[in-house]
Amino acid sequence: KQEVTQIPAALSVPEGENLVLNCSFTDSAIYNLQWFRQDPGKGLTSLLLIQSSQREQTSGRLNASLDKSSGRSTLYIAASQPGDSATYLCAVSAYSGGGADGLTFGKGTHLIIQP
Amino acid sequence: EPEVTQTPSHQVTQMGQEVILRCVPISNHLYFYWYRQILGQKVEFLVSFYNNEISEKSEIFDDQFSVERPDGSNFTLKIRSTKLEDSAMYFCASSGGQTSTDTQYFGPGTRLTVL
Repeated sequence: KQEVTQIPAALSVPEGENLVLNCSFTDSAIYNLQWFRQDPGKGLTSLLLIQSSQREQTSGRLNASLDKSSGRSTLYIAASQPGDSATYLCAVSAYSGGGADGLTFGKGTHLIIQP
Repeated sequence: EPEVTQTPSHQVTQMGQEVILRCVPISNHLYFYWYRQILGQKVEFLVSFYNNEISEKSEIFDDQFSVERPDGSNFTLKIRSTKLEDSAMYFCASSGGQTSTDTQYFGPGTRLTVL
C-alpha cells in the first residue's frame, strides 16, 4: 500500500527566504505526482503536476523535482512571501491505465512566512 | 477560470440520516472524484467516476456510499445512513480536460457534521 510522508510537518521562516519542502513515497510505481496548497478551511489548489517521466516542473517561484526511483520529490519556493503561508500537500497517483486514478496524499507541511 | 463548485458548504445531520453532497465539475472534464478529510488527518480518496460508472474505489467506500451523475453537470455523493465517524470535509475533484489532462482540480469542500 502506497504511503506518502512529508517532512517537515511544520516550518516557519522569515519573508524572503528560499525553502524546500520534502515528500517521499514508498512505492515508486507512480503515474504522476501533484503538489497542492490548502488554506485553512478551504479546498485544495493545484500548484504543479509532474509526470513520472519528468524530472521537474516550474511555475513562477515554485519548482518541483521528482526522483521516482528513490521515491522522493521536493518543492522549492523562492523568495518566500507572507501570502505563501498555507499547508502544502504532496499526492501521488498510481498507474492503473484507467485515467481516473485516486491520489494518495501526505499529511502536509504547514508553512508560515513571517513578515 | 473554470472551477469546481460544491453545495452545501456545510451540512449538519443526525446519525442514521441520509445526506447527498453535490458537486458541479469543470464542464469539459471527463473524470470525477470524491475525497474526504477528517479533521487533522490526511486527505483520503473515496471514489473515481468515468463514463457513467465507478472507475476505482477505496476500502472506505463501502455500501453506505454511492455516487451518481444525474445529469450533464452534477455529480453527487450519497451517504445512506450517516455515522458519527462520517463527520469530515468532503471534496469533489475533476480532471481530464483538453489541457492538463491529469491535473485534478478540487472544489472548496462540504463540511459534514454528524450529530
